[in-house]
Amino acid sequence: DAGVIQSPRHEVTEMGQEVTLRCKPISGHDYLFWYRQTMMRGLELLIYFNNNVPIDDSGMPEDRFSAKMPNASFSTLKIQPSEPRDSAVYFCASSSQTGMAGELFFGEGSRLTVL
Amino acid sequence: AQSVTQLGSHVSVSEGALVLLRCNYSSSVPPYLFWYVQYPNQGLQLLLKYTTGATLVKGINGFEAEFKKSETSFHLTKPSAHMSDAAEYFCAVSAQGGGGNKLTFGTGTQLKVEL
Repeated sequence: DAGVIQSPRHEVTEMGQEVTLRCKPISGHDYLFWYRQTMMRGLELLIYFNNNVPIDDSGMPEDRFSAKMPNASFSTLKIQPSEPRDSAVYFCASSSQTGMAGELFFGEGSRLTVL
Repeated sequence: AQSVTQLGSHVSVSEGALVLLRCNYSSSVPPYLFWYVQYPNQGLQLLLKYTTGATLVKGINGFEAEFKKSETSFHLTKPSAHMSDAAEYFCAVSAQGGGGNKLTFGTGTQLKVEL
């Protein structure tokens, strides 16, 4: 089975531009998580979904960030407008409630650079 | 709420020496505890986890960890380091029986293995 798939792997954009990151979770997983990783703050949970419904978005830093999960096989994280401080690696992860307790499966990440 | 503290952001060992990476947790409910490894430019991979039962858990690549409730610790060890073990290691905690598999990660420990 394919793992969590993220795109793009690398994104370089200019300040003020819209950025959309995409994620395809593992088939059959009912939880999806978006994390952000930076040197200064480590791994931060931004938002997570259960059965396509956002459960906890308290980690979303600002209104400039939004996430959607229109169906069980696709999620997006959007930043509009982007700022240099948004530069980070964004990870998507999925898991199964009925599977191995608490085990998250991570994608390879999307490295965002905002100039 | 749960949290983890990883002592030492950088650890350096000689090849063949013991690896010891420290993790202390805080949890108001019985925890699930995890160690993940991240190789350069990759996502996180599960090394091992503690849920219930045996407090000494074995993972992949010869790593193991022991859950010590009295010390609120879950330190990661490996008897003999290999060059391929060089990576960043993250301790994580979630709440048993709920939380939607929501993991809280530590700040990570970068392991360097020297000849």
